[in-house]
Amino acid sequence: GENVEQHPSTLSVQEGDSAVIKCTYSDSASNYFPWYKQELGKGPQLIIDIRSNVGEKKDQRIAVTLNKTAKHFSLHITETQPEDSAVYFCAARRQAGTALIFGKGTTLSVSS
Amino acid sequence: KAGVTQTPRYLIKTRGQQVTLSCSPISGHRSVSWYQQTPGQGLQFLFEYFSETQRNKGNFPGRFSGRQFSNSRSEMNVSTLELGDSALYLCASSLRTGGRETQYFGPGTRLLVL
Repeated sequence: GENVEQHPSTLSVQEGDSAVIKCTYSDSASNYFPWYKQELGKGPQLIIDIRSNVGEKKDQRIAVTLNKTAKHFSLHITETQPEDSAVYFCAARRQAGTALIFGKGTTLSVSS
Repeated sequence: KAGVTQTPRYLIKTRGQQVTLSCSPISGHRSVSWYQQTPGQGLQFLFEYFSETQRNKGNFPGRFSGRQFSNSRSEMNVSTLELGDSALYLCASSLRTGGRETQYFGPGTRLLVL
C-alpha cells in the first residue's frame, strides 16, 4: 500500500523567512496530494492541494510543487508569520473514493 | 455553510467500556471518513462511508465499527476499550464532483481511556 514520508519532523524559522516541508510517496498511482494545517485543539484544515497533471500551484504565500518522476512533493511557505506556527501534514491518494494516506507531520515554529 | 461537527468533543472512559462518537458532515456531502490521530502513529484511516455503505476500511481491529444514516450523519463505535485507544478521532466529509474529491475535517473528539 501507499506510504508517505515527511521531513523534517520539526522546523524552526524566523519571521519573514521561508519554510519548506518535503514528502515522498511510494505508490506511483497516487495522483492527489493535499496539505493540511492543524492548530492546537483543532482539526486539520486544507490549505492547498495539487493533482498529478500539475507541477506547481500557488496561493498567496503558499506553494506546492510536485515531481511525479521522483515521487515527491513539497510545501513552500514564504514570508512566514507567527500565525503560520502549526503542525503541517502532507497526504497522498490514488483517486477519489480511496483513502488519504498521511505523513507523520511537521511542527513549524515561527518566532518573531 | 456550517463545517463538519463532531460530538462529544471530549470523552473519558475506562477499559472495557464502549463508546459511540458522532459526526455531522457539511450539508450536501455524502462521504464521511474517520481517522484516529495519536502522537506516535499520526493520522490513520479507519473507514469511509458513502451513501450508508462502507466504501473503504483501514487496518483496525473489528472493535472499531461505524455506520452512516440516510441524512449522511455518521457514528463510529469502539467496543471493549483499551488504553491504546486513547486518541483524537477525526471525521472528514467530502463531496465528489467531476472525479475530484476534497476532504474537510471536523474538530475531532478527544477520547481518553483510563
